[in-house]
Amino acid sequence: EAQVTQNPRYLITVTGKKLTVTCSQNMNHEYMSWYRQDPGLGLRQIYYSMNVEVTDKGDVPEGYKVSRKEKRNFPLILESPSPNQTSLYFCAISPWLAGGQDTQYFGPGTRLTVL
Amino acid sequence: ILNVEQSPQSLHVQEGDSTNFTCSFPSSNFYALHWYRWETAKSPEALFVMTLNGDEKKKGRISATLNTKEGYSYLYIKGSQPEDSATYLCALKTSYDKVIFGPGTSLSVIP
Repeated sequence: EAQVTQNPRYLITVTGKKLTVTCSQNMNHEYMSWYRQDPGLGLRQIYYSMNVEVTDKGDVPEGYKVSRKEKRNFPLILESPSPNQTSLYFCAISPWLAGGQDTQYFGPGTRLTVL
Repeated sequence: ILNVEQSPQSLHVQEGDSTNFTCSFPSSNFYALHWYRWETAKSPEALFVMTLNGDEKKKGRISATLNTKEGYSYLYIKGSQPEDSATYLCALKTSYDKVIFGPGTSLSVIP
């Protein structure tokens, strides 16, 4: 069974204090992605990674960094968080399947509040 | 940025009613359309993957169709039950590495 873990699950922090949200998978899937979910806007992709050392920007990358040093881990880094980054964050994974058949498995989510 | 739209935004139905909602998109140039179900306090879970015009998929009381020529997909729920209450998301896989989600349709089934 696909398992995606995120830590922390809940975080309240202050503006400017660097933080990292970890994402780890047990499925050896190539593709990992970060999304943020805001009311009325649906899931918006922040960054994604096709494999180790291969990352790319999604639709809303500003204010975020990622790294993919190991296949199983894909941390999301907020160097200087701001209140507009208050959101629900999901990490998702999928295998690489031809023809777009690769649906994503989502982690449990991280609720971040930036004061 | 390609825009994926879903309607209605929210829906309230009585238990036993059948219902449907729509995912629309402007282009037929994509790899696949995915439907996800997202229950409150849980994570989204995949329901269907559709790739070809005319595709129909079914899982129990839930089914979906895809019309790539006119740019829409329908999700149908037959005989809605309270456990069907969730937000239903559609997502367009526009390239080998890019997925765009719609804003979702929130369904509440009233017992």
